[in-house]
Amino acid sequence: AQKITQTQPGMFVQEKEAVTLDCTYDTSDPSYGLFWYKQPSSGEMIFLIYQGSYDQQNATEGRYSLNFQKARKSANLVISASQLGDSAMYFCAMREDGYNKLIFGAGTRLAVHP
Amino acid sequence: DTEVTQTPKHLVMGMTNKKSLKCEQHMGHRAMYWYKQKAKKPPELMFVYSYEKLSINESVPSRFSPECPNSSLLNLHLHALQPEDSALYLCASSQRQGETNYGYTFGSGTRLTVV
Repeated sequence: AQKITQTQPGMFVQEKEAVTLDCTYDTSDPSYGLFWYKQPSSGEMIFLIYQGSYDQQNATEGRYSLNFQKARKSANLVISASQLGDSAMYFCAMREDGYNKLIFGAGTRLAVHP
Repeated sequence: DTEVTQTPKHLVMGMTNKKSLKCEQHMGHRAMYWYKQKAKKPPELMFVYSYEKLSINESVPSRFSPECPNSSLLNLHLHALQPEDSALYLCASSQRQGETNYGYTFGSGTRLTVV
């Protein structure tokens, strides 16, 4: 069974600073994908970044980067130069390639202060 | 604008009502999903359709009935719901495993209140 763990219920960061949101996962499938989504109060799930289990390099998308440490089974999201609009709920999710299911962690609520 | 469109955005229904949630995508994705999200909780998978056939049902009560009329549409029929079914219902679509761009695209959701 797969499992996603986000241990930070809430995080605070000052505007323009960097912040790391933690995510660990557990799977026995050697082929899997890891995702991060942002969910503002409006409810829409916004895709941020994807890392495949066989990808050699850490994924980056603009201000978002994924610190992928396969041996530790961690996939932390790094947001550089935080903006007020980054305040939202952030979910880490995983899909095992043998199953067409995307499973979410509990989420981390990020608050960016001016 | 999201490429997965859900209607309605808000729905209030009584416990004896029958209503339907609709989801539409035109990205050519062949897998579609329904998720239920309670307040301050992560989305929970309800159903998966692959090539218009139900492939996963996560032991969802029969008062929720999914339907996939074609590759672009996904419905969720609701009947005799309970107040605890009040939640945000999210639809998503994705390419099949092995295809490029295997990302999941979500709609904006339907906020359902059962009274």
